[in-house]
Amino acid sequence: IAGITQAPTSQILAAGRRMTLRCTQDMRHNAMYWYRQDLGLGLRLIHYSNTAGTTGKGEVPDGYSVSRANTDDFPLTLASAVPSQTSVYFCASSLLPPGQGLNEQFFGPGTRLTVL
Amino acid sequence: AQSVAQPEDQVNVAEGNPLTVKCTYSVSGNPYLFWYVQYPNRGLQFLLKYITGDNLVKGSYGFEAEFNKSQTSFHLKKPSALVSDSALYFCAVRDGAGGSYIPTFGRGTSLIVHP
Repeated sequence: IAGITQAPTSQILAAGRRMTLRCTQDMRHNAMYWYRQDLGLGLRLIHYSNTAGTTGKGEVPDGYSVSRANTDDFPLTLASAVPSQTSVYFCASSLLPPGQGLNEQFFGPGTRLTVL
Repeated sequence: AQSVAQPEDQVNVAEGNPLTVKCTYSVSGNPYLFWYVQYPNRGLQFLLKYITGDNLVKGSYGFEAEFNKSQTSFHLKKPSALVSDSALYFCAVRDGAGGSYIPTFGRGTSLIVHP
């Protein structure tokens, strides 16, 4: 693989269920991010990780959790999904943590999640 | 605090005509500015960035952007639009004065190029 992969591509989920969105990158990038994209609201940062073993909260973290056990993987978990979490979710990465460099972000293809 | 605005939800242009997608920003320190493009059902792709130096930045696919400090703008431009340029465009800004250091994205502008 080359770049960032996300799984699943799309998912329909019943409210109250637990769901983990997967994200893997093979570029050895230090920083990774999770965004949600909603019509009229653009991209909003959910959580981020500057390096393996560290995570931070973004603009809209409530209802979501992340972990960064290694460099390559950055899963996003919805502990108990609600309809307002219906969105398109994008994982991204950058070579350096944002505070150490002005490098651009690389984005995955997205996961379209519908919570009923 | 950092913020970015894309005042137009949609821009329509005829193929072959020049195009401009507008972006204005607000930061405390020096701005670091980015443009990304999103094609349907795809993730965002980096186009170009301004860090310092020449106010005119050239990027991928023939796009360029002009940094204007006095107007706090970073408009995306292309001399001759193609139908294949039709996509969603995002401007992003990072405040050089600090904060989380993570860029803030605008809401996006849909560019439609008519044949």
